[in-house]
Amino acid sequence: GENVEQHPSTLSVQEGDSAVIKCTYSDSASNYFPWYKQELGKRPQLIIDIRSNVGEKKDQRIAVTLNKTAKHFSLHITETQPEDSAVYFCAAANTGNQFYFGTGTSLTVIP
Amino acid sequence: NAGVTQTPKFQVLKTGQSMTLQCAQDMNHEYMSWYRQDPGMGLRLIHYSVGAGITDQGEVPNGYNVSRSTTEDFPLRLLSAAPSQTSVYFCASSYYGSNTGELFFGEGSRLTVL
Repeated sequence: GENVEQHPSTLSVQEGDSAVIKCTYSDSASNYFPWYKQELGKRPQLIIDIRSNVGEKKDQRIAVTLNKTAKHFSLHITETQPEDSAVYFCAAANTGNQFYFGTGTSLTVIP
Repeated sequence: NAGVTQTPKFQVLKTGQSMTLQCAQDMNHEYMSWYRQDPGMGLRLIHYSVGAGITDQGEVPNGYNVSRSTTEDFPLRLLSAAPSQTSVYFCASSYYGSNTGELFFGEGSRLTVL
């Protein structure tokens, strides 16, 4: 099956700085790569996703890049704000809707 | 449109007791799934279903049963609860097909087994 590794497990940045979270996957059949944000005590919610036929996608301060050859993808958050503090999960999925999640990154934005 | 609804939100069980976590969605999603979330381990798939009458095992199915009699409902049954099943459980649903899309999560159910 698929194996998704996520780094770092914790990340602290100063407000206004950028944050980068990296994930690798093992199964070349995976073709959909979403990122979820989970605030304390809440459900995971999709913040951005990318498909295997695209190398980069951006939505305001959030961007995701995908390198299919190396089997890794990354989340970039620019101009971080305190409300960006949360746990972020990457995932890899195939056409069978099998989602495999990374172990999460706890991001703290220091005001 | 309520999305994905889970009940109960909190439950305390004694070892050996059984219970059912309920999950319902009103988005006409074919795909429904159950995950458990444990500290430092991310979200792990327990069971999933791609339509009424069809279920299959995920990564960590032992100790859990599911059924899918309707498109809307996907209950998770704990047959004989064990302390190792203390966790937060999430139900999630999505459309199913060649274009995998967003998973919508319920609010979660926090289960403690004593």
